[in-house]
Amino acid sequence: GENVEQHPSTLSVQEGDSAVIKCTYSDSASNYFPWYKQELGKRPQLIIDIRSNVGEKKDQRIAVTLNKTAKHFSLHITETQPEDSAVYFCAAKAIGGYNKLIFGAGTRLAVHP
Amino acid sequence: GAVVSQHPSRVICKSGTSVKIECRSLDFQATTMFWYRQFPKKSLMLMATSNEGSKATYEQGVEKDKFLINHASLTLSTLTVTSAHPEDSSFYICSASITGGRVQETQYFGPGTRLLVL
Repeated sequence: GENVEQHPSTLSVQEGDSAVIKCTYSDSASNYFPWYKQELGKRPQLIIDIRSNVGEKKDQRIAVTLNKTAKHFSLHITETQPEDSAVYFCAAKAIGGYNKLIFGAGTRLAVHP
Repeated sequence: GAVVSQHPSRVICKSGTSVKIECRSLDFQATTMFWYRQFPKKSLMLMATSNEGSKATYEQGVEKDKFLINHASLTLSTLTVTSAHPEDSSFYICSASITGGRVQETQYFGPGTRLLVL
């Protein structure tokens, strides 16, 4: 089945710097890759997603890139702000019924003022 | 739009009792809902996929008799932890996908239920 690996597990940046989180997936047939942000004690919130027919997608300070050949995708946050501090999870849709998502282990991002 | 609620938000129970957690899609219909378990500082572990009108599909290693799932309507799924034990203590989160939505794979998460079994 699908397996998703995420790196790094923790990331510390200064306010205004960029942050990059990378994920790899195992099933080349996966075609949907969302990113979620989870603040402490809160629900995961979808921040951006990408389908396999697109190589890059951007929404203001957030962008996601996808390399289908290498089976990896990355989240890029520019001009980071303290409120970006949270745990970020990547996911890949597992092939088969019901649109099941397989999540990465998460990256704890800390943005220091 | 796409709001998912969960009830209760937290529950404390005695060992051996059963606890029911409700997951509702408030402004959309959800043929499919998902139940996850999350340990502190860990990722989301999918327990089962809940399908309206049919039996849930459980992930490997998840006891279906221990974690009973009922998806009785297009807006409600319930998870019952039967004969709870301290090791069942965890954060349980549900999610739902919009039936007929533009991106049907997108999952919207509930706020979670923190279960503590004494």
